[in-house]
Amino acid sequence: DIQMTQSPSSLSASVGDRVTVTCRASQNISTYLNWYQQKSGKAPKVLIFGASNLQSGVPSRFSGSGSGTEFSLTISSLQPEDFATYYCQQSYSIPVMNSFGQGTKLEIK
Amino acid sequence: QLLLQESGPGLVRPSETLSLTCNVSEDSITDSGYFWGWIRQPPGKGLEYIGRIYYTGRAYYNPSLKSRVVLSLDTAQKQISLKVTSVTAADTAVYYCASGLLVWFGESIPWRFFEQWGQGTLVTVSS
Repeated sequence: DIQMTQSPSSLSASVGDRVTVTCRASQNISTYLNWYQQKSGKAPKVLIFGASNLQSGVPSRFSGSGSGTEFSLTISSLQPEDFATYYCQQSYSIPVMNSFGQGTKLEIK
Repeated sequence: QLLLQESGPGLVRPSETLSLTCNVSEDSITDSGYFWGWIRQPPGKGLEYIGRIYYTGRAYYNPSLKSRVVLSLDTAQKQISLKVTSVTAADTAVYYCASGLLVWFGESIPWRFFEQWGQGTLVTVSS
């Protein structure tokens, strides 16, 4: 199985900060990497698919990059509504589109 | 906008079968550009993929759950169903159904991601 490892597991930042979350795959997954945001008590919401494609309706301050085994999600200028938990997910392996990363909790400093 | 709604018992006894249904608001349940998935989240923990099913009825499962999980599709009722057998306390979680989108970009495997999610339903396994 492909394992996904996110870092850091938690992060404190201030409104206006630039923040980057990293996701590493245990083997080459090309660009088959998605990012989700989950706010407390709510269902996750997709932000980025295919490593760098912004989902419709998602603010442009969110961006994704990477390919192969190293990926990142960047928020260019944190807004109050961005404080949440972020998960990466690989969609490469067949037949199992499995692994979510363990999550990165973004908190207000 | 596509809406998804999970339903089922909130309490299941250990060793019994957990059964959930997801109602889909649109006819996209038969659209080849979609797939349908279940994901769960134990209280205070991260997301765990359970499995996905396509309009053809073909299903794929998380290997760690495969022996206990069955997904099915009822296109007439616009429903996706999940059954987990022989449950234990470790199966206590919020269960989400989600619609997945296939995006073809020239490679042999499309990008796949969960586009819409239901609100989730908490299932507690306890005697």
